[in-house]
Amino acid sequence: GAGVSQSPRYKVAKRGQDVALRCDPISGHVSLFWYQQALGQGPEFLTYFQNEAQLDKSGLPSDRFFAERPEGSVSTLKIQRTQQEDSAVYLCASSSNTGGGYTFGSGTRLTVV
Amino acid sequence: KNEVEQSPQNLTAQEGEFITINCSYSVGISALHWLQQHPGGGIVSLFMLSSGKKKHGRLIATINIQEKHSSLHITASQLSDSASYICVVSPREDNNDMRFGAGTRLTVKP
Repeated sequence: GAGVSQSPRYKVAKRGQDVALRCDPISGHVSLFWYQQALGQGPEFLTYFQNEAQLDKSGLPSDRFFAERPEGSVSTLKIQRTQQEDSAVYLCASSSNTGGGYTFGSGTRLTVV
Repeated sequence: KNEVEQSPQNLTAQEGEFITINCSYSVGISALHWLQQHPGGGIVSLFMLSSGKKKHGRLIATINIQEKHSSLHITASQLSDSASYICVVSPREDNNDMRFGAGTRLTVKP
């Protein structure tokens, strides 16, 4: 596609529910990043893929957070047993690694009630 | 201390004013990005800089590598410029790492 697509755009989850957030990067983009942005703050790094390999997951806040990119294109960020502090905008970005910069998705706003 | 510091945190301007947002960083970088984020979360990449100055419409971005400082200028500000502006640096040559500033929230009033 022409841009990075994230779905759903908005998600309301009950505390304890599992959620799955999807990121469709630009076709051919090798690198894919996930970020978490709490209200009023800048994005914080969660994890990074190069193709299907998850090279860095140091930013995942707990073992309830899990990300995958099994075929090196679409990525899913899964949050198990959601808690209120998980409420945030989850941003996905992709890059071609050729110095052309990053393209961001519009984000998924997760609200845990 | 954050590796990327932005100032001011919040900025209110009258329509038509010239606006400057500053970014200072403490790591060696391969590139610096300025992003615009509107309420609702969508992010648009404005500039990617590794040296000098870039201009796009009413927006100008400059970077001084020696001083580890970048500025984003908005000339003749408009109501539609109201957004958060985020400075992002790539500390490694392979561009596979990004460090974000906390953002500057700009409100332009009529």
